[in-house]
Amino acid sequence: AQKVTQAQTEISVVEKEDVTLDCVYETRDTTYYLFWYKQPPSGELVFLIRRNSFDEQNEISGRYSWNFQKSTSSFNFTITASQVVDSAVYFCALRSFNDMRFGAGTRLTVKP
Amino acid sequence: EPEVTQTPSHQVTQMGQEVILRCVPISNHLYFYWYRQILGQKVEFLVSFYNNEISEKSEIFDDQFSVERPDGSNFTLKIRSTKLEDSAMYFCASSVRRDRVAFFGQGTRLTVV
Repeated sequence: AQKVTQAQTEISVVEKEDVTLDCVYETRDTTYYLFWYKQPPSGELVFLIRRNSFDEQNEISGRYSWNFQKSTSSFNFTITASQVVDSAVYFCALRSFNDMRFGAGTRLTVKP
Repeated sequence: EPEVTQTPSHQVTQMGQEVILRCVPISNHLYFYWYRQILGQKVEFLVSFYNNEISEKSEIFDDQFSVERPDGSNFTLKIRSTKLEDSAMYFCASSVRRDRVAFFGQGTRLTVV
């Protein structure tokens, strides 16, 4: 069975702090894909990144970076120098075959 | 930029009524999905659809639910007899291939009263 665990339900930081959102997954498939989505207060789901199981290269996109470690089944997301606009719920998701499972989400609040 | 569109954005219905949620996936996408999110909770997979048939469905997707692609552009989710616990945000998503990024619509908030 597939499972995605986001152990941090809520995180609160002050603007300009760095923050890391944890994601741990379980799957028996050898080919799978990992995603992060952002859900701002308006409710829509916004795609941030996709990683496939064969590509463990870390990625940086502006203030966002992702650390994929297959050995620990983790796909963590770091926001550097957080801003108030980063306040949202962030979902990690795992996809293999036709099934896509989301974690419970981490609510990030960035205070000015 | 192409996007998945969902209508209506908010629907209120009485318990026991049938509702149809509509989605227009991105035009060259072949895989379609419905998810739901009960307020404040996680996003849950309902069903995936490819080549005019359901390819995967979750335990949530019982006989009350059905999906259809009635024409070349729309993808609908029907709930036959709504229950209070069906109140949620329903997201449609589509992707070019099953291993590609799923792009989500903005969701339809369904309120069953």
